[in-house]
Amino acid sequence: DAGVIQSPRHEVTEMGQEVTLRCKPISGHNSLFWYRQTMMRGLELLIYFNNNVPIDDSGMPEDRFSAKMPNASFSTLKIQPSEPRDSAVYFCASSQARGVTDTQYFGPGTRLTVL
Amino acid sequence: GQQVMQIPQYQHVQEGEDFTTYCNSSTTLSNIQWYKQRPGGHPVFLIQLVKSGEVKKQKRLTFQFGEAKKNSSLHITATQTTDVGTYFCAGPEKGSARQLTFGSGTQLTVLP
Repeated sequence: DAGVIQSPRHEVTEMGQEVTLRCKPISGHNSLFWYRQTMMRGLELLIYFNNNVPIDDSGMPEDRFSAKMPNASFSTLKIQPSEPRDSAVYFCASSQARGVTDTQYFGPGTRLTVL
Repeated sequence: GQQVMQIPQYQHVQEGEDFTTYCNSSTTLSNIQWYKQRPGGHPVFLIQLVKSGEVKKQKRLTFQFGEAKKNSSLHITATQTTDVGTYFCAGPEKGSARQLTFGSGTQLTVLP
């Protein structure tokens, strides 16, 4: 089975540029999560979708960040304009509703560097 | 909001020594999950504990859920270099079956 797919794996950009991160969840999973991981703040949930609908975006840092899920097999996280403090590893994870609490399957992440 | 804390933040052990990481929640949890992230990798699910006082084993790893369901521990017996990584506990966000609050993680280094 293919796991969660993310692209690009690495992104280096200059401050002020637009960055788009992409995620393909595991087929059949109905929840999708975007996380950001830094040394200082650890693993932070940015936003989560259930059945393609954003449920909780309280973790989105500011208006520069936006996320979409146009269908069950694709999601994007966009940063516009990017800033050096956005440098981090961004993970996408997906899960399927079952049992007490869903297990989350993480993608390999996108390492973003904003110069 | 809900907080999940882990200690220690870092742990260096000699290969063959035991290792334990502790997880504490500010609220009672319906269940707890543990994940492992290898250096340069992504978090990978290890196990889920649901019952009060539950103990589960995976080879050299022993997971325990506290009686009050507010704390948990992961113990590794006779560490190996393959155990290197960061271990996270995660509890469900209150009122949600899907959102998880991750602990800050314990980064384990095993010295050969």
